[in-house]
Amino acid sequence: EVQLVESGGGLVQPGGSLRLSCAASGFTFSSYWMHWVRQAPGKGLVWVSRIDSDGSSTSYADSVKGRFTISRDNAKNTLYLQMNSLRAEDTAVYYCARDLRLRAFDYWGQGTLVTVSS
Amino acid sequence: EIVLTQSPGTLSLSPGERATLSCRASQSVSSSYSAWYQQKPGQAPRLLIYGASSRATGIPDRFSGSGSGTDFTLTISRLEPEDFAVYYCQQYGSSPPYTFGQGTKLEIK
Repeated sequence: EVQLVESGGGLVQPGGSLRLSCAASGFTFSSYWMHWVRQAPGKGLVWVSRIDSDGSSTSYADSVKGRFTISRDNAKNTLYLQMNSLRAEDTAVYYCARDLRLRAFDYWGQGTLVTVSS
Repeated sequence: EIVLTQSPGTLSLSPGERATLSCRASQSVSSSYSAWYQQKPGQAPRLLIYGASSRATGIPDRFSGSGSGTDFTLTISRLEPEDFAVYYCQQYGSSPPYTFGQGTKLEIK
């Protein structure tokens, strides 16, 4: 069974940093591109970042470029999102999601809440 | 960036009725790269349709997708109580960002 479990969310002050993790199991993690998607409270889904299967290629939404870094450790079956210079508008539930052959996101974690507030 | 506009914002229907949800893109999207998701309160999104019309694993056949170019449709042929949720369309183009529509809330009438 495919499972994605996020962790690392919490309350952080503006300008602070957090690192999110997504532990994957039930599939060959190293064969799949992965994504982070976020959802502000009561709002819609927003794609944040993606990484290819070996970590050699990454992309970011303009709103997080230069502040967030996506990475992965295929030996540990884990995806990461390093978030620096956090702003109030980064407050959201962050989901990791598996890429379905460059067509869609077929499995999602349960999400981890990040709250940026003083 | 491709902008996706979903309509209606809210759809009020009764169990057993047919639901038709629309998604319009600001520029042409390959049908191979359009998808639909369902999200219930407090849950992660679930993939329903990819490639415009292919059902994801385990999705009942009352869900169907169609469309091409700039107009895509999700149809639920006969609503079950568990189908009342928020639905998002997405375009997965050749390059990011992989945008989502703003969502359609399907509520019980």
